[in-house]
Amino acid sequence: EAEVAQSPRYKITEKSQAVAFWCDPISGHATLYWYRQILGQGPELLVQFQDESVVDDSQLPKDRFSAERLKGVDSTLKIQPAELGDSAMYLCASSLFRLAGDEQFFGPGTRLTVL
Amino acid sequence: GESVGLHLPTLSVQEGDNSIINCAYSNSASDYFIWYKQESGKGPQFIIDIRSNMDKRQGQRVTVLLNKTVKHLSLQIAATQPGDSAVYFCAERGGANNLFFGTGTRLTVIP
Repeated sequence: EAEVAQSPRYKITEKSQAVAFWCDPISGHATLYWYRQILGQGPELLVQFQDESVVDDSQLPKDRFSAERLKGVDSTLKIQPAELGDSAMYLCASSLFRLAGDEQFFGPGTRLTVL
Repeated sequence: GESVGLHLPTLSVQEGDNSIINCAYSNSASDYFIWYKQESGKGPQFIIDIRSNMDKRQGQRVTVLLNKTVKHLSLQIAATQPGDSAVYFCAERGGANNLFFGTGTRLTVIP
């Protein structure tokens, strides 16, 4: 069964350092999402791509976060510099299209700890 | 913006009993809702969905009920099993297919 892949699974870094997370969506899925999940809370959308284009990054802290999906396939989310409050699970999801009712499939996430 | 919340943060049930997890939402214009299950260390997994033109939908051992009058939905799990232990989220889908999640309810099944 096809799955969304993410790496690394765990990342520990010191504040002010740069970190990057990678996501490989299910093959053929045009839409890719990055969510942040703080411990004890539900995921919150950071950025949404349709192919290589950003369609929603309204909740992305653009002073320190960046995301790209250059070839419309895999994607990288970067934080520079990392802050203590960035400690969270970063989840990637993909869907075939971005139509309402189109199921999103989630990856296992990257657990970030900022010291 | 949308706001989706859950009434109870934790729920413990005996194995074999039925479980009911509740969720309130605030956006009366929302027309599509999903329940997700998240096990420890994993991403959310789709369980069941419902559109606003329905008030009930059944799956395998799960039923979702939607009450648009009071903006409430619930997830019922029949004959709860130890493998059902997880955090359950309700989510409403925005127009761009993005999801707005509630806080979550941790379900613990007691053997």
